[in-house]
Amino acid sequence: AQTVTQSQPEMSVQEAETVTLSCTYDTSESNYYLFWYKQPPSRQMILVIRQEAYKQQNATENRFSVNFQKAAKSFSLKISDSQLGDTAMYFCAHESDSNYQLIWGAGTKLIIKP
Amino acid sequence: EAQVTQNPRYLITVTGKKLTVTCSQNMNHEYMSWYRQDPGLGLRQIYYSMNVEVTDKGDVPEGYKVSRKEKRNFPLILESPSPNQTSLYFCASSFLGQSNEKLFFGSGTQLSVL
Repeated sequence: AQTVTQSQPEMSVQEAETVTLSCTYDTSESNYYLFWYKQPPSRQMILVIRQEAYKQQNATENRFSVNFQKAAKSFSLKISDSQLGDTAMYFCAHESDSNYQLIWGAGTKLIIKP
Repeated sequence: EAQVTQNPRYLITVTGKKLTVTCSQNMNHEYMSWYRQDPGLGLRQIYYSMNVEVTDKGDVPEGYKVSRKEKRNFPLILESPSPNQTSLYFCASSFLGQSNEKLFFGSGTQLSVL
């Protein structure tokens, strides 16, 4: 069965620091998609970044970047120059290329301190 | 404005009293899905629908029903709610074939079953 593991239930850093959230997954497929979602206190689900497994290059969106290690089945999210508005729950998710369904990790609560 | 509208935002009910959480999207999406979010477990899929009159079970369908009589609506029905269904519920929709990059979420329904 496909699984997604986020081993850090909670993290906190000072504003402007860099923080890395970890995510590992298990799949037998060769092609799939990986996502990081942000959920601020408003409960809104916001897509942060997306990675296609067949692409070697790590995805980047402004201050957000990923370190995708396909062989290790690892998909970590790096937030540079963290801001107070980055305080949120962050979820890692895996989408199978064959059945379109999303499998979610348990989430990491990130707190940015002023 | 493109959106997924979920109602109500908050709901407190008692064990055994039937309830319906509504979900409507205005983007002509084929795919719609219901998730529940619980602390330490992330999001888990309850039911999903690929098109009108086509619904399938997700990972945690027990105690829930859905229907897809119209393309825009996908209500979640709890025939006899129990306290273990206390959770945060999300509806989501997208076009098929676009991966979950274009998954639109509703604003969530916090349900408490006493």
